[in-house]
Amino acid sequence: DTAVSQTPKYLVTQMGNDKSIKCEQNLGHDTMYWYKQDSKKFLKIMFSYNNKELIINETVPNRFSPKSPDKAHLNLHINSLELGDSAVYFCASSLFSGVQETQYFGPGTRLLVL
Amino acid sequence: AQSVTQLDSQVPVFEEAPVELRCNYSSSVSVYLFWYVQYPNQGLQLLLKYLSGSTLVKGINGFEAEFNKSQTSFHLRKPSVHISDTAEYFCAVSDSGTYKYIFGTGTRLKVLA
Repeated sequence: DTAVSQTPKYLVTQMGNDKSIKCEQNLGHDTMYWYKQDSKKFLKIMFSYNNKELIINETVPNRFSPKSPDKAHLNLHINSLELGDSAVYFCASSLFSGVQETQYFGPGTRLLVL
Repeated sequence: AQSVTQLDSQVPVFEEAPVELRCNYSSSVSVYLFWYVQYPNQGLQLLLKYLSGSTLVKGINGFEAEFNKSQTSFHLRKPSVHISDTAEYFCAVSDSGTYKYIFGTGTRLKVLA
């Protein structure tokens, strides 16, 4: 059973398009995250939701909008895609109990903007 | 603000040799420390973590790490590496009571036959 799943796995699109990436976890976790990993493997947190509430919102262009319809899902919508958005986007989830616990990562979505 | 430094961007090592991957973090009253591994074209998975207690932490695949508060370090070690250990390794730190990890820039371990 896949714990954290992301769709699509690969996404190739033109500049200016709008696209969405979906994430689902079946671990019963209450906190979900989006990370961006660039070509140099640097991992940067973008957003985090706890119980459907936004709790981390890093310096990210407002073309990126997360949405959490329930605790098990966290989607990422990107408007007006730019070349610099090309990266691997990882979703992760964890159970927060006052102590930061292990984060479980999805397999990643490889986005290429042409 | 909390920060994490992984001093080596790449570490080549021969198979069956020992390896140490270095990680230093900025000082804080109470931190939690993690090592994650990323195999090619995959997501990250936890190797080991330090929350409290014994400063020597054992993880999966024969890896271990030692928390050194005075040196603000959490170096990862393995006494004998395999070709299958070739991957990117990330150190991460989280302050007590926060949701946020700060990841290091990663160390690429390349195990040579």
